[in-house]
Amino acid sequence: SAVISQKPSRDICQRGTSLTIQCQVDSQVTMMFWYRQQPGQSLTLIATANQGSEATYESGFVIDKFPISRPNLTFSTLTVSNMSPEDSSIYLCSVVWANPYEQYFGPGTRLTVT
Amino acid sequence: GQQVMQIPQYQHVQEGEDFTTYCNSSTTLSNIQWYKQRPGGHPVFLIQLVKSGEVKKQKRLTFQFGEAKKNSSLHITATQTTDVGTYFCAGYNAGNNRKLIWGLGTSLAVNP
Repeated sequence: SAVISQKPSRDICQRGTSLTIQCQVDSQVTMMFWYRQQPGQSLTLIATANQGSEATYESGFVIDKFPISRPNLTFSTLTVSNMSPEDSSIYLCSVVWANPYEQYFGPGTRLTVT
Repeated sequence: GQQVMQIPQYQHVQEGEDFTTYCNSSTTLSNIQWYKQRPGGHPVFLIQLVKSGEVKKQKRLTFQFGEAKKNSSLHITATQTTDVGTYFCAGYNAGNNRKLIWGLGTSLAVNP
């Protein structure tokens, strides 16, 4: 399976600022996704990060708030812009590597907005 | 929209007891996956079921996919404290394999 790292692992940010989360994979993957998970809740898909083109966002998520980059097949970033306390959550990247249906998750970034 | 319901939401068992979580979709699924998330951890892929009526086993874990491909179950025999965590089912809608639809999860606590 692919080894996935995320930076930072956690952060505490001020309201109105932005945070960029990095997701690095040790091998080329076909698909990369960004999820949000509130404590004790299920996973909510934010967007699919497309290599070399704009991300595909799910309903309720927009590019201005969550800009995503994926410059190559092993790396992606998610920016949480103009943060508010409601953005406090765990942000997870996941990848599809070999089997097209198996998703592998990074360790997550725990974000607290004050 | 499509929903995947999971019951129960929480389950407390004594170590050695069996445990089952059920997953039900409002629409037909092309496949279903199960993930385990330990407290403080990230979801880890356990298994994928594709065929109608499919049953797969992993040691003490038994996974089933319903005949109509709308429901699934995960059964753990003789639970151990290492089974603690939240179990999520997730499925792709038949005809749309772009977005994985996640269940709300079942949190399992095991008393030693």
